Amino acid sequence: QSALTQPASVSGSPGQSITISCTGTSSDVGNYNLVSWYQQHPGKAPKIIIYEGSKRPSGVSDRFSGSKSGNTASLTIFGLQAEDEADYYCCSYAGSTTFYVFGTGTRVTVL
Amino acid sequence: QVQLQESGPGLVKPSQTLSLTCTVSTDSISSGSYYWTWIRQPAGKGLEWIGRMYSSGSTDYNPSLKSRVTISPGPSNNQFSLRLTSVTASDTAVYYCATGGVSWYVFDLWGQGTLVTVSS
Repeated sequence: QSALTQPASVSGSPGQSITISCTGTSSDVGNYNLVSWYQQHPGKAPKIIIYEGSKRPSGVSDRFSGSKSGNTASLTIFGLQAEDEADYYCCSYAGSTTFYVFGTGTRVTVL
Repeated sequence: QVQLQESGPGLVKPSQTLSLTCTVSTDSISSGSYYWTWIRQPAGKGLEWIGRMYSSGSTDYNPSLKSRVTISPGPSNNQFSLRLTSVTASDTAVYYCATGGVSWYVFDLWGQGTLVTVSS
């Protein structure tokens, strides 16, 4: 099972909005509404920011929004802030043989 | 809120077995309905799901690692363990234990991670 495909890097200025794509297949992203997104700052454990496609855990800013179309999931960060500079990973459930597949990761830079 | 912490040797020789323990801030990992999970991340690279154990003790593994991985309860009631046999340099990574609090299909509670280096 190959990793989900994400852009290596995305950048934006403070206040702007950016979108990170996460492309899988009909066996994972396209078949389940079970994509989650994780934010990881250097040297830290990943932090959940979106689960089940578009749900935000308690305490996560509403500037983060998740969506899906076909085999591609997306994470949009509205009103980009300096603290959003981090690595972002998507993850999809992929059925009872493969179970979970992560994305390749995207480095977000705030200009 | 449940907290998790990994522990174990930071250095393992090639061909030997990597063993890690995750301690959970709960009386017993057998209570409730949780999937107790291991995930790893080589330096500068992405995340890889290793496998999980349900509260009942049933397990699921990444097919690419299945022949070498065992996740099991213990040593104590509030711990679960990872064993990875026949390690090579490519198994060098930060290993995280995690679980899903809001959903079975998410990892929203993580340990801090522990670096394991495979080297002679």
